[in-house]
Amino acid sequence: NAGVTQTPKFQVLKTGQSMTLQCAQDMNHNSMYWYRQDPGMGLRLIYYSASEGTTDKGEVPNGYNVSRLNKREFSLRLESAAPSQTSVYFCASSEAPMRVSTSTDTQYFGPGTRLTVL
Amino acid sequence: DAKTTQPNSMESNEEEPVHLPCNHSTISGTDYIHWYRQLPSQGPEYVIHGLTSNVNNRMASLAIAEDRKSSTLILHRATLRDAAVYYCILKKYSGAGSYQLTFGKGTKLSVIP
Repeated sequence: NAGVTQTPKFQVLKTGQSMTLQCAQDMNHNSMYWYRQDPGMGLRLIYYSASEGTTDKGEVPNGYNVSRLNKREFSLRLESAAPSQTSVYFCASSEAPMRVSTSTDTQYFGPGTRLTVL
Repeated sequence: DAKTTQPNSMESNEEEPVHLPCNHSTISGTDYIHWYRQLPSQGPEYVIHGLTSNVNNRMASLAIAEDRKSSTLILHRATLRDAAVYYCILKKYSGAGSYQLTFGKGTKLSVIP
């Protein structure tokens, strides 16, 4: 049981290049999330998927697109990378669909992808 | 916005109790109080959560004020492995049909051997 896995662990891009960050979870969770964390800051939500087949914008969606490929996988795409997107990206998942409030929907995080855009 | 206020940093001696405070004066009746922590170079991990009553689990205790405008995460016996950034978060209805966690900057806990 690997939990939440992310690939790649590290990536360096040049301005204007594109790339896709991959995330997969093996816990049969309904909801999945993408966050970014800038130095000395907390996490900010980019996009989320409350259930298979749905995606919604979070706090900082500009410059990103997402795909919920199936229940297990949720990818984040940068179409034209910019230096402002240099950050550490975390994927997370939780059991409960986000459209209900429960006391038990803990989020489980992956190890992160460190992205540098030159 | 779901606002929480935490000290930027705290220090504790190893094997002593640690009380990490959090103010959340704008909390509403349906907001859960969640605590996560982030060890160096890792993703955040869940610590504990509560609504109104104090809560205990194997990692920590959560003490919630009667008016719910503040809470305290209690580590009963700090170890070097507890050195991390601790986030106090309100799980709040986002208005877009979903509930979200909003992370602040957290409290960086240093544990002194």
